[in-house]
Amino acid sequence: RKEVEQDPGPFNVPEGATVAFNCTYSNSASQSFFWYRQDCRKEPKLLMSVYSSGNEDGRFTAQLNRASQYISLLIRDSKLSDSATYLCVVGGTYKYIFGTGTRLKVLA
Amino acid sequence: DTEVTQTPKHLVMGMTNKKSLKCEQHMGHRAMYWYKQKAKKPPELMFVYSYEKLSINESVPSRFSPECPNSSLLNLHLHALQPEDSALYLCASSQGPPGHSYEQYFGPGTRLTVT
Repeated sequence: RKEVEQDPGPFNVPEGATVAFNCTYSNSASQSFFWYRQDCRKEPKLLMSVYSSGNEDGRFTAQLNRASQYISLLIRDSKLSDSATYLCVVGGTYKYIFGTGTRLKVLA
Repeated sequence: DTEVTQTPKHLVMGMTNKKSLKCEQHMGHRAMYWYKQKAKKPPELMFVYSYEKLSINESVPSRFSPECPNSSLLNLHLHALQPEDSALYLCASSQGPPGHSYEQYFGPGTRLTVT
């Protein structure tokens, strides 16, 4: 089993739709959780850290469920510019573990 | 400012060449990382430096040699690479080691082609 798993997609959604991604992790001792966005041929950019209490930044909401060992990202009112790969990253004691990424394409 | 800079942006090198990739951050971060990323794959960790000491080497071939001259700089020395080493090489930094929930920031990468 991979340490961090994501559905690779692609998720094709119309503009204005709400889309949710999940990510599961295997190490219950994992200490930090993040969502990154990566555009084609660019570097990953931090979208948001994920906290136990959940957190929201504009149209983006992230949740952490430690009991079930998953994190989620909800995007509301999708824009064309949201089209990208979304990487789930889990911080362990010594390194960060990346999921395979979920591709999102928002269609006009 | 959360900027990590990398030079060069693009590099083409032959299998007998020696070249170096450079990474710099001025955020006072004490952990720095090298990743390799192939198309449609996530970044793959190569090395971690924590407080200027190499803390992780993910069984990377010796043709890749990292160096951390000071807390702001990270180099990756390349020698006798193979065509399959062609990839995007990403540098990242975080305030401290991963175990303390620090966010990691990436540079724009160096796109390396080995001919």
